Amino acid sequence: RKEVEQDPGPFNVPEGATVAFNCTYSNSASQSFFWYRQDCRKEPKLLMSVYSSGNEDGRFTAQLNRASQYISLLIRDSKLSDSATYLCVVRYSGGYQKVTFGTGTKLQVIP
Amino acid sequence: DAGVTQSPTHLIKTRGQQVTLRCSPKSGHDTVSWYQQALGQGPQFIFQYYEEEERQRGNFPDRFSGHQFPNYSSELNVNALLLGDSALYLCASNFETANSPLHFGNGTRLTVT
Repeated sequence: RKEVEQDPGPFNVPEGATVAFNCTYSNSASQSFFWYRQDCRKEPKLLMSVYSSGNEDGRFTAQLNRASQYISLLIRDSKLSDSATYLCVVRYSGGYQKVTFGTGTKLQVIP
Repeated sequence: DAGVTQSPTHLIKTRGQQVTLRCSPKSGHDTVSWYQQALGQGPQFIFQYYEEEERQRGNFPDRFSGHQFPNYSSELNVNALLLGDSALYLCASNFETANSPLHFGNGTRLTVT
């Protein structure tokens, strides 16, 4: 089993739709969680950190479920500019805080 | 406030050659990590440097080596290039503290022919 797993998609959604991605992780020692956005042939950019109580940034909401070992990202009112690959990132505690990326979920917002 | 900078942006090498990629971390960051990203895949961790020492390494052969300098900048060296080394090489920096997210440079796209 991969340490961090994501549905690769693609998720094709119409403008204005709400879409949700999940990411599961296998190591219960995981400490920090992040969502990154990556546009085609560009570097990943931090979208948001994920906090235990859940957090929101505009149209984006991130949730953490430690019991079930998954994090989620909800995007409301999708825009064409949201089309990208969304990478789940897990940082483990202990021993230099190893960082592991998921393979990414591709989102295509359609006019 | 300068972000993470990498050079060169593109590179074409021949199988068997050696390559050096460079990275300057975001101002104030002391930890540098290198990732390899093949097309359609997530970034794969190569290694991490802190205080001029490699302190973590991913599942990459010894052909991949690196260095961190006193000013926190870093180099990634790859010897005896293989066709499969063709990828986007990403440098990321962060603070050596819990919950500090990675900040990435634009990457170096390496093509091995």
